[in-house]
Amino acid sequence: NAGVTQTPKFRILKIGQSMTLQCTQDMNHNYMYWYRQDPGMGLKLIYYSVGAGITDKGEVPNGYNVSRSTTEDFPLRLELAAPSQTSVYFCASSLQGIQPQHFGDGTRLSIL
Amino acid sequence: GESVGLHLPTLSVQEGDNSIINCAYSNSASDYFIWYKQESGKGPQFIIDIRSNMDKRQGQRVTVLLNKTVKHLSLQIAATQPGDSAVYFCAENSAMEYGNKLVFGSGTILRVKS
Repeated sequence: NAGVTQTPKFRILKIGQSMTLQCTQDMNHNYMYWYRQDPGMGLKLIYYSVGAGITDKGEVPNGYNVSRSTTEDFPLRLELAAPSQTSVYFCASSLQGIQPQHFGDGTRLSIL
Repeated sequence: GESVGLHLPTLSVQEGDNSIINCAYSNSASDYFIWYKQESGKGPQFIIDIRSNMDKRQGQRVTVLLNKTVKHLSLQIAATQPGDSAVYFCAENSAMEYGNKLVFGSGTILRVKS
């Protein structure tokens, strides 16, 4: 059981470039989440999904897009990367709503 | 708005001592709380959770206490070990249109001295 797997682990982007952060889970969880963590801070929710085909915005959705075509995968898309998006991005999943979320090990993204 | 905050940004304890990490929350309607441990370069790892109908919950070497009157949460670690060194976050569950979200505090760094 791999849990939540994120790729890539590290990435450097130039301003204006775009990329997709991948997240997959093998626990058959319904709920999936994307967070960003800035240095010395807690996690802030970007987007979440409660099942295939259903996504919604979190606290900081601007500059990002998501899709959920399968239960396992929840990619996060950055369009027109900006320096303010330099952060560590974590994907998480949970079976249902009020249950512990399981996190991946993150993608460290720098935009220069 | 909602916020979850921590009183102490850094806590240093001697190996073998007990550790207490505190957390204040602002949403009195929150019904579920979680403590996570985050080691350097890794994602948050679930430690223990508690629902609002409980005051105390115990796990292996860890205890979470919930005081709803003063909106305070604490994590107690017994016989702290070097492997407990990490950043600890409390998180508060908050309902959204679909599902729920976790509102995280800024974290407490726990350093264990040998």
